[in-house]
Amino acid sequence: AQSVSQHNHHVILSEAASLELGCNYSYGGTVNLFWYVQYPGQHLQLLLKYFSGDPLVKGIKGFEAEFIKSKFSFNLRKPSVQWSDTAEYFCAVRKGYSGAGSYQLTFGKGTKLSVIP
Amino acid sequence: DADVTQTPRNRITKTGKRIMLECSQTKGHDRMYWYRQDPGLGLRLIYYSFDVKDINKGEISDGYSVSRQAQAKFSLSLESAIPNQTALYFCATGGRLAGLSTDTQYFGPGTRLTVL
Repeated sequence: AQSVSQHNHHVILSEAASLELGCNYSYGGTVNLFWYVQYPGQHLQLLLKYFSGDPLVKGIKGFEAEFIKSKFSFNLRKPSVQWSDTAEYFCAVRKGYSGAGSYQLTFGKGTKLSVIP
Repeated sequence: DADVTQTPRNRITKTGKRIMLECSQTKGHDRMYWYRQDPGLGLRLIYYSFDVKDINKGEISDGYSVSRQAQAKFSLSLESAIPNQTALYFCATGGRLAGLSTDTQYFGPGTRLTVL
């Protein structure tokens, strides 16, 4: 079965520090990749997504992610974090279309980011 | 108005009670999903539906049932609630059948369910 690993459970950074959150997946075929953010007490919001094309994807709020197929990775980055980025971040993977059941998203367990002012 | 709404937002119930969580969407999407979120476990798929005649079990469907009453409505039921079903439940919608390769899921605000 496909799995998604987010290596860091909790990351603590000071404002203006750079951020990189790791995401690795186990499926070897075509994949669609997503990062979602969940601010405290709120629902999941889409940060960015990758379907095909340029492996460097830019999302909202200054976030970007790079798809490295050879490493089965889709790491999230931001050059300079702000206190308002404090949230939980989820990586999700879906197999490229190959028939029934292939639209399920598999989520990582999430990484909590705490940004200290 | 929110595109994906869930009712109730919070519910406390007792073991053995039947509970229904409701989800409605105005995005016109064909596909709808129910997830549960537990601390440290991320989101896990309970059931999903690609249209009103299509219901599929997800990763953790035991103890749950669903009903797709209309394209815009997808309900989750716990027939006899138990304490380990205490969790945050999210409904999500995603895309149209015509756009299978570019489906993106959009989440509702969540229902916090506590089973005593």
